[in-house]
Amino acid sequence: AQKITQTQPGMFVQEKEAVTLDCTYDTSDPSYGLFWYKQPSSGEMIFLIYQGSYDQQNATEGRYSLNFQKARKSANLVISASQLGDSAMYFCAMREGANAGGTSYGKLTFGQGTILTVHP
Amino acid sequence: DGGITQSPKYLFRKEGQNVTLSCEQNLNHDAMYWYRQDPGQGLRLIYYSQIVNDFQKGDIAEGYSVSREKKESFPLTVTSAQKNPTAFYLCASSIQQGVWETQYFGPGTRLLVL
Repeated sequence: AQKITQTQPGMFVQEKEAVTLDCTYDTSDPSYGLFWYKQPSSGEMIFLIYQGSYDQQNATEGRYSLNFQKARKSANLVISASQLGDSAMYFCAMREGANAGGTSYGKLTFGQGTILTVHP
Repeated sequence: DGGITQSPKYLFRKEGQNVTLSCEQNLNHDAMYWYRQDPGQGLRLIYYSQIVNDFQKGDIAEGYSVSREKKESFPLTVTSAQKNPTAFYLCASSIQQGVWETQYFGPGTRLLVL
């Protein structure tokens, strides 16, 4: 079964409007982190935002916010006031099994990605 | 400036040849990772290393090898046993920030088979 599902292969948005990119996840681990990355055409993966499973409030970083609905196992990325430079591929990823307060490293499981195109 | 560098940007491999991809970071990060990305796909983990002289296999380690002799460096060798090596390879490093470690990526290397 897919651990991370991004159901929107492509999305279009008008400049200055908000857009939501969907991400659902599947895990039985009570402790996990959810991450969003942006990949422009150059290929580099740019970290945007993360949400921990025990975080009470939705994460925000500038124009990015994460709409975290734990019961639905969804972690949608909301980009407000879209800019032309936001056009890129966006990946949702999950890290399972970190221990609070400890050091724990391991893989990120990535979704298939959503291509966002911002129109002027 | 601190960051993660990968070289070369493009690499061509002949049949039966081993090639090595370089990854260096000066961020003083403890852990380093190698991912593979195929066209239109997400990333898949090849190997990762938490400390010097120690590394673990990821989901698709067959046909690859790594070493971690220095904290700053984590080279990946694509061996002749990897039958379909054409892909985009991304290196990452991470450091613990609060509960979660955040992975930061280099610019990537595109490997093509001649």
